Amino acid sequence: DSGVTQTPKHLITATGQRVTLRCSPRSGDLSVYWYQQSLDQGLQFLIQYYNGEERAKGNILERFSAQQFPDLHSELNLSSLELGDSALYFCASAGGPGETQYFGPGTRLLVL
Amino acid sequence: GEDVEQSLFLSVREGDSSVINCTYTDSSSTYLYWYKQEPGAGLQLLTYIFSNMDMKQDQRLTVLLNKKDKHLSLRIADTQTGDSAIYFCAESHSGGYNKLIFGAGTRLAVHP
Repeated sequence: DSGVTQTPKHLITATGQRVTLRCSPRSGDLSVYWYQQSLDQGLQFLIQYYNGEERAKGNILERFSAQQFPDLHSELNLSSLELGDSALYFCASAGGPGETQYFGPGTRLLVL
Repeated sequence: GEDVEQSLFLSVREGDSSVINCTYTDSSSTYLYWYKQEPGAGLQLLTYIFSNMDMKQDQRLTVLLNKKDKHLSLRIADTQTGDSAIYFCAESHSGGYNKLIFGAGTRLAVHP
């Protein structure tokens, strides 16, 4: 158990819908990272937050957005969902930039 | 550029040593990581090595880093069936706020 929690574990939805994935970092960690794991793209970095502020963006679609709240939990919002958004979404946390990232169990999203 | 490559599959006999290889292209990488993913599970941090080290040993795991060739390997001694999983090599560098760049993963199959 890494100490990072993600909810829900599984999500099934339809094209065009919007979903919110939630992540709670390890106690004391200020950085949250979001990654997407898909069969065709592998594991890809989406976005990073540190202490409530966005720090880095990767290959994140404009339909996707995220935020980190004052209690340091983070949410990833996916809208106008397409079949190709079906993937495993991981959250990782770290004490700060440069520190080791610990991953949550992931949220498996299936878009039908 | 940023690119991490791994062979996709490795099969070993129980009790033998496994060696999983990885090459990376970013010479500014500061840390290199090995993560393990079991079926249906998240990413478990196995070990990591700082870029100014050549070797790191942690129980059955040995990491070797050849900076000149940008080659990283993970050796698992006395491989067990419980080691069957996908192993991901990842690099990070401080210039990218430590986002992780992952390889495609090596599927390790351990047979009796």
